This record gives sequence, C-alpha cells and structure tokens, in this order.
Amino acid sequence: SQTIHQWPATLVQPVGSPLSLECTVEGTSNPNLYWYRQAAGRGLQLLFYSVGIGQISSEVPQNLSASRPQDRQFILSSKKLLLSDSGFYLCAWSPISGGGYEQFFGPGTRLTVL
Amino acid sequence: RKEVEQDPGPFNVPEGATVAFNCTYSNSASQSFFWYRQDCRKEPKLLMSVYSSGNEDGRFTAQLNRASQYISLLIRDSKLSDSATYLCVVFSNTGGFKTIFGAGTRLFVKA
Repeated sequence: SQTIHQWPATLVQPVGSPLSLECTVEGTSNPNLYWYRQAAGRGLQLLFYSVGIGQISSEVPQNLSASRPQDRQFILSSKKLLLSDSGFYLCAWSPISGGGYEQFFGPGTRLTVL
Repeated sequence: RKEVEQDPGPFNVPEGATVAFNCTYSNSASQSFFWYRQDCRKEPKLLMSVYSSGNEDGRFTAQLNRASQYISLLIRDSKLSDSATYLCVVFSNTGGFKTIFGAGTRLFVKA
C-alpha cells in the first residue's frame, strides 16, 4: 500500500531564516505530487505541483520554491521566511493513471514564523 | 464568484440527525469531484469520490448535478465521530491540472 511521509511535524523559525520541508511517497511510481498551504481557519491553497522529476508548476507567486530531485521526493524551500509563511503545509500525491485524480495527503508540517 | 463555494456553517446537529452539505463550482469543464473530511489540526482525508450517477457508502451519499454545477453530501444517522470539517474538491485538467478545495463546512454532532 502507498504511504506518504512529511517532516518535520512542527517547526518554529525566525523571520528571514531558510526553510526546507521534505515529502516522500512509498509504494507507488511516478505519482503526481503537490504542496498545499492552509492558513489558520482557512481553506487549502495549492502552491506547487509536479508531474515528474524536475517538473514543477507554480500556482501562486511567492518566496517559496519546490524541487523534485527523485521520483518520490518533493521538497519545499524558502531562502528567507516571512511572517505570512506561517501555516500548515501539506504534501499530497495522486496516481498518474486512472483518471480519478484523488489526492492523498501526508500528515503535514505546522510552521510558525516568529 | 469563488471557484468552489460551500455552505459557511458551522452545522450543529444532534446524534442521529441527517445533515446535508452543498457545494457549487464555477468551471463547467470540471471533471472530477470529491468530498474530504478534515479533523482539527489533521490532514484532509478522502471521504468519497462523486460520480455522475450518484454514489453511496454506508451512511454517506454523494450526488453530482453537472447542469447546475452542484455537488452534495448527505450524512444519515450522524455519529459523534462525524464531527469534522467537510471539504468539497473539484478537479479539472483543461489548461493544466487544477484542483480547487472549498473552504469547508464544519460539522458538530452533539450527544
């Protein structure tokens, strides 16, 4: 069966510091991968998605970037965090075939920028 | 107009009640539809996909009306454990993958 891991689970960072969040998927090949952010009490905002290694599409311009160095690894980064970057960051995967496009989420990283 | 709109909620219902969630979407080319539930401070989890013919899974029934661009979720005989936020999700791949999550409707089921 497929599993998705994210780490760290929680993170407190000062403004201006760098960020690296990692997501890995097991039990599937060539998944579509997604990064979302959920601000407190708000809906999910799609940040990036990837259909393959090195292929990243950005949905919202911001100071975040994403990379996919391996088939089942997706990384979210920032060179300098802003207060507004605080939120719940969720990685998700979906199968590339089947047409259903259901997405399955990891446990998330709760980021607080102070 | 938001791309995906849900009832703002919250809904407060007693155990055993039937509760209905509604969702409308603006993109007529949308292809796939889902309901997720999200517990407090947890990740969203897929509850069910929504098919054109409607589908049922135990106490849960999902319906899709493409002409009206409307999706619904019905929960019968609600349980305390159904308390969560219910998210309507719409997917299209015209012009690139696009998945839109509704803001969610919070449900509180009381004893």
